[in-house]
Amino acid sequence: EIVLTQSPGILSLSPGEGATLSCRASQSVRSNYLAWYQQKPGQAPRLLIYGASSRATGIPDRFSGSGSGTDFTLTISRLEPEDFAVYYCQQYGRSLYTFGQGTKLE
Amino acid sequence: QLQLQESGPRLVKPSETLSLTCTVSDGSISTTSYFWGWIRQPPGKGLEWVGHIYYSGTTYYSPSLQSRVSISVDTSKSQFSLRLTSVTATDTAIYYCARRSLMTTVTGTAQYYFDFWGQGTLVTVSS
Repeated sequence: EIVLTQSPGILSLSPGEGATLSCRASQSVRSNYLAWYQQKPGQAPRLLIYGASSRATGIPDRFSGSGSGTDFTLTISRLEPEDFAVYYCQQYGRSLYTFGQGTKLE
Repeated sequence: QLQLQESGPRLVKPSETLSLTCTVSDGSISTTSYFWGWIRQPPGKGLEWVGHIYYSGTTYYSPSLQSRVSISVDTSKSQFSLRLTSVTATDTAIYYCARRSLMTTVTGTAQYYFDFWGQGTLVTVSS
């Protein structure tokens, strides 16, 4: 099973600043089968990025994903007030999904 | 407009069976590019994939839950269901149903992701 480790656990920033969130895998993620989700309190997760760098439908272009192999990054270029949330990475391999433990952006 | 609605008991006793149903509102449950899944989240903690099912009945389960979990589908009712046996307090969680869709990446690779989620339902295991 591939373990995903996200850092930092908590990221404290202000609106207008840029954010960089990291997701490191214990083994190489085949075919960049990696996604990023945003979760706000009391809500279900929302798919932001899939295939490591493809934006999901309706996601603003201030969100971007990059990386390959074992190191992946979610970048938010200019934080809006609605971007403060918890972010999870997720990978799929060998017929199972695993999630990272999350980064809280506050 | 797709809606996924979870339903079922919110309180389950230890050692008993947790049962939830997800209703797919737009009739797309038999669409060939979709699977239907369950993901859970203990209060204040992270996400855990439980499993998913194709409309034909093919299932995939988390290895850590495989001995206790089963997912089934009823296309005539546009529903899929989760059963988790022999529950303990550690099974207390928000249970989300979600659609697993075939998506094409910028590099042209076809991959499956959970792109639409229900609102979730908190199930508590307690006597």
